[in-house]
Amino acid sequence: ETGVTQTPRHLVMGMTNKKSLKCEQHLGHNAMYWYKQSAKKPLELMFVYNFKEQTENNSVPSRFSPECPNSSHLFLHLHTLQPEDSALYLCASSQVGGTRDGYTFGSGTRLTVV
Amino acid sequence: QKEVEQNSGPLSVPEGAIASLNCTYSDRGSQSFFWYRQYSGKSPELIMSIYSNGDKEDGRFTAQLNKASQYVSLLIRDSQPSDSATYLCASIRYSGAGSYQLTFGKGTKLSVIP
Repeated sequence: ETGVTQTPRHLVMGMTNKKSLKCEQHLGHNAMYWYKQSAKKPLELMFVYNFKEQTENNSVPSRFSPECPNSSHLFLHLHTLQPEDSALYLCASSQVGGTRDGYTFGSGTRLTVV
Repeated sequence: QKEVEQNSGPLSVPEGAIASLNCTYSDRGSQSFFWYRQYSGKSPELIMSIYSNGDKEDGRFTAQLNKASQYVSLLIRDSQPSDSATYLCASIRYSGAGSYQLTFGKGTKLSVIP
């Protein structure tokens, strides 16, 4: 495996379900991120983890719960979501800061809440 | 609010022409700038980064940065149909507590007509 891998690629869940998104990076990076991409809106940064410590939470509702057990793995736990949460969820990684090389993105999870 | 603005397009150019994509940013503390390409249904892919005033060339791509005008652009020479995608402009800035944020514009959709 190389780069940033995300599973599952597609997810359909009901509003009362609990599910988790998984991200793994094989680049030796020490920062990981969750982004949300909705139609006609810019990519929205949700969470930032540096050296597995959360450093940013951009006012994300508590029905989204991130977990970063180590610098290579990142999870997004989902519960009692709303239909408006349907979107493409992207994981990314970088060296802390990413000021020179930017972020590397995974393929994303297309989430549909019914 | 720290924003990155792009013309959403669509921008249509004939094959072989130069495509010019523009971006402005509001935060003068932004340190580095990136252009990502995103094909429909895929994740963003980094194609150019720039952090000093002036031009930076890589193959058919040239990024231009003018910090005084808070303006970033991407030129694609000899445009090919395979260049048809949405191009995302992004800036990175220090957000405090050792954390950085990569903020995206909405993207410009480019269509290269054979």
